[in-house]
Amino acid sequence: GQSLEQPSEVTAVEGAIVQINCTYQTSGFYGLSWYQQHDGGAPTFLSYNGLDGLEETGRFSSFLSRSDSYGYLLLQELQMKDTAAYFCAGARGYQKVTFGTGTKLQVIP
Amino acid sequence: DAGVTQSPTHLIKTRGQHVTLRCSPISGHKSVSWYQQVLGQGPQFIFQYYEKEERGRGNFPDRFSARQFPNYSSELNVNALLLGDSALFLCASSLEQGMGYTFGSGTRLTVV
Repeated sequence: GQSLEQPSEVTAVEGAIVQINCTYQTSGFYGLSWYQQHDGGAPTFLSYNGLDGLEETGRFSSFLSRSDSYGYLLLQELQMKDTAAYFCAGARGYQKVTFGTGTKLQVIP
Repeated sequence: DAGVTQSPTHLIKTRGQHVTLRCSPISGHKSVSWYQQVLGQGPQFIFQYYEKEERGRGNFPDRFSARQFPNYSSELNVNALLLGDSALFLCASSLEQGMGYTFGSGTRLTVV
């Protein structure tokens, strides 16, 4: 089966950098995605790592190490609007995508 | 280009009733997935359809069923509604397996 664990809450200061970790246990797993979800909204796709290494998209970067079953999302130059829940998600073929436990990020002034 | 559209946006049903939720994927997307999200938790996978065939099913009872039509739109049906079925139901479409899904705004179902 698949399980993806994340810290439940993270608080960071506006303008700072924050890293949200995701560790997973699965078999036959490939690829890790990250989603952002604001209160009352739908998840929004942020990034995808199909290979080991770092992917950068603007202020957001995501990293995957399949040998360590570990990934993280890095948010730079934090803004108040980044306050949201962040989910990692793993997939196996066409089968189900499993979402992580979710991390609530609170950005404070 | 329109995103993933879901209908209705909100719905109130009584225990024991049946509900049908609808989803239209982004044009060109052949994969549609359904998720249930309870407040404070991550989305839980229900079904995935690709080219009108069920390709994956989550740990949900047989009261939940779905189908995909030739135009790639999809329906999720839930029979014999329980109070615990109250949740945000999300539909997502994608071009390729396991990659970035685009979610619709969801249908918020309340069972009373």
